[in-house]
Parts: sequence; C-alpha cells; structure tokens
Amino acid sequence: DQQVKQNSPSLSVQEGRISILNCDYTNSMFDYFLWYKKYPAEGPTFLISISSIKDKNEDGRFTVFLNKSAKHLSLHIVPSQPGDSAVYFCAASLDNTDKLIFGTGTRLQVFP
Amino acid sequence: NAGVMQNPRHLVRRRGQEARLRCSPMKGHSHVYWYRQLPEEGLKFMVYLQKENIIDESGMPKERFSAEFPKEGPSILRIQQVVRGDSAAYFCASSPWRERNIQYFGAGTRLSVL
Repeated sequence: DQQVKQNSPSLSVQEGRISILNCDYTNSMFDYFLWYKKYPAEGPTFLISISSIKDKNEDGRFTVFLNKSAKHLSLHIVPSQPGDSAVYFCAASLDNTDKLIFGTGTRLQVFP
Repeated sequence: NAGVMQNPRHLVRRRGQEARLRCSPMKGHSHVYWYRQLPEEGLKFMVYLQKENIIDESGMPKERFSAEFPKEGPSILRIQQVVRGDSAAYFCASSPWRERNIQYFGAGTRLSVL
C-alpha cells in the first residue's frame, strides 16, 4: 500500500531551466510534507517542508506547492544547477505520529 | 556541530550472525528513528525511540529485530540471525522535541549478508 507516490523515476533538465518534481498521496489525513535530497552513499538531506494549512513554501531556489484537493505536491527548483543532480524523495507525516512515509524517489539529472 | 553519526558505514555478515548498527543523534535531539531502504525503493519506517522508551515499533519485523536507545550512549538496532533479505541500507534520523516533523538523517549503514 504505497501511500506516497512519485510516478516519475527519473527527470533530466538542462542547467538554468526549471526542474519540477511531483508527488501524489492517498491519505487525506497527512498534514505535513517534506522533500529530501539524496546523493549516492549518503543519507537524505532535508530540503524544504510544508504544512497542510499552506499551499506554498519557498526557500531560495526551492519552492514546494501543495494542492490538497488533488492530493498532490510538487517541488520546483529554479534555476537548476548541476549540483542538484540527486535522488529526490517526497515524504509525508500525520500529526499524531512521528514516522515519515516516503515515496520511491525521482532521480534528477541536470546537464550543462 | 556534528550531525547524526552512524557506524559502521558498511557491515558484512554471514547468514545466521548478528548485526549491530549504532546511531548517535545530533546534539540536543531526543528523538531517534530508524528506516530501511531496499534497493530501488524508498525509505521504510521501522521504529521511533526516545531515551529508554520505544514509542512506535510498528514498522519493525516481529522477529529477530530489536532497537534500544539507552539513557547513556547511542541507539542500537540489532538484527539477530541475519538472512540475505536483511541486506539493505539502514538509516537513522533524529529530531529535536519542538520540530519533530523534520528529521535529520545520518549517512546510513549498508548491511550485506553473504
């Protein structure tokens, strides 16, 4: 039962352009969402998060959008840089639990 | 300002042996989480601990797996009588009490069972 889904296993974007990574979820009770970036042989690094009471959160080049009616969130990276090449995981949590439910990840490649 | 420290980074065990994975949370963090990542999959929650307490072990296999977070020292994830299917990357995360939703991860321990 995959409650958090990232349907695109990979994405390739040219340097300087926008990268858009998508995530869908099935549990309407999720109230907090996070994006993590992961390089090979390293642990996930926290990028940005959003509470379900908001529809947008921005931090530098990273913006997360939440569409609760569609149970969809997306991460926008602009402008994309080669150092952004990594696997990006979407995660969700419920207020009354502390565990994160992760998607399967999207591998982003930013080429020159 | 050390982050979450996990050791060893790589662990090789033969079937039937025991594996012990250690995790020291970030300074000031009182919550520890363990996740497992199988190849080509996302991270799966295993267990959530506070000092001397297991809060949620709903993701932990019922047999052979145990976890602790003693009053002193690191958190330990213990796998007894390992099997090949236990081969995975095991990640530990920690969070501060006031920001429990944001978890900070260690570099992981890659367990290989021969």
